[in-house]
Amino acid sequence: GDSVTQTEGLVTLTKGLPVMLNCTYQTTYSPFLFWYVQHLNEAPKLLLKSSTDNKRTEHQGFYATLHKSSSSFHLQKSSVQLSDSALYFCALRYYKLTFGTGTSLLVDP
Amino acid sequence: GALVYQYPRRTICKSGTSMRMECQAVGFQATSVAWYRQSPQKTFELIALSTVNSAIKYEQNFTQEKFPISHPNLSFSSMTVLNAYLEDRGLYLCGARRGGQDTQYFGPGTRLLVL
Repeated sequence: GDSVTQTEGLVTLTKGLPVMLNCTYQTTYSPFLFWYVQHLNEAPKLLLKSSTDNKRTEHQGFYATLHKSSSSFHLQKSSVQLSDSALYFCALRYYKLTFGTGTSLLVDP
Repeated sequence: GALVYQYPRRTICKSGTSMRMECQAVGFQATSVAWYRQSPQKTFELIALSTVNSAIKYEQNFTQEKFPISHPNLSFSSMTVLNAYLEDRGLYLCGARRGGQDTQYFGPGTRLLVL
């Protein structure tokens, strides 16, 4: 079946530094990957999505590129802000999402 | 824009009792609704997927007998947690998707606490 792996449980960074949150996946279907962000006591909100190989997708300063050759869809940002502190989930497929375990991003002043 | 409401936002029930939660799509027709549970440890489990004109498909470890779902029209779905126990606690999220589109819109969730 489908699976999504996020290796970091917690990432702590100082404001202004770059960040990369890892996501790899396994599926027998054509991959469609998503990044969702969940702030405290809120629902997950879509941040990025892609099904196109080797094409960078961007939103709100975050970007990711789907690499089918390595089954990866890492999330990056060049300069994190305090408001980026949240839980980030990588997810696979669209009508029946399989979520990774999530990465908590904490940004210090 | 697409909005999804869930009711109630939070509920407490006694062990062994049941509770019903609702999901309403506003501004679009939800041809499919997926119900998820996010555990206190923040991991997600898909409970079931309900698609218009198809039978509701439950994932392994979840059954219709325990989590009956109703999806009577393109804007509303409800799910009941029957005989709730401690392991059923968590945040129940509904993800609604328009036909032909690839994005699920999530409601704010119903947080279930079982005493």
